[in-house]
Amino acid sequence: SQKIEQNSEALNIQEGKTATLTCNYTNYSPAYLQWYRQDPGRGPVFLLLIRENEKEKRKERLKVTFDTTLKQSLFHITASQPADSATYLCALAPTGNNRKLIWGLGTSLAVNP
Amino acid sequence: DAGVIQSPRHEVTEMGQEVTLRCKPISGHNSLFWYRQTMMRGLELLIYFNNNVPIDDSGMPEDRFSAKMPNASFSTLKIQPSEPRDSAVYFCASSPNRISYEQYFGPGTRLTVT
Repeated sequence: SQKIEQNSEALNIQEGKTATLTCNYTNYSPAYLQWYRQDPGRGPVFLLLIRENEKEKRKERLKVTFDTTLKQSLFHITASQPADSATYLCALAPTGNNRKLIWGLGTSLAVNP
Repeated sequence: DAGVIQSPRHEVTEMGQEVTLRCKPISGHNSLFWYRQTMMRGLELLIYFNNNVPIDDSGMPEDRFSAKMPNASFSTLKIQPSEPRDSAVYFCASSPNRISYEQYFGPGTRLTVT
């Protein structure tokens, strides 16, 4: 069956450290993968998009990697801050239906001061 | 830019009643998406429109759900009759064009059906 999985356990890290979140998928051929941030009581906010032919994408303190052989994307936040505490969602778009995103359940990140 | 606007923000209704959720997408965006989010199932795409035309409604749970987009600046999601299992947060999102795939979400409507 087709699945997209993220760490179900909350991630707690110390301020200043690098947070690494994982997104694994099975039985999909994604055209691209996106990462979003969601705060309690709010809608998801787009962070980064990485295409199937890209290995890495960066934006300020954020970095996303995409390994289509391992069927995995890693999301890194360097020099983490308490304000980075939120739930992070990955979503992939299957090839052939680029507008329809399939979402993971998200990983909760807590950055402790 | 006001972002995606949804109303109401909260809705509490009794089983069997009709519920209408409303969405105003970001001006100039030509794709609109309706999602449902629950703890157990996460975000599920219900339906999406491109240029006001429904493209994929395979996520609509059953005939009790319907969605319309009469023009580029307004969409509704209707549940009739509502059931307790419909309780969830419903999000509307819009997206600018085919090149740019990111989606912009509204604040959501928290629906409780008793």
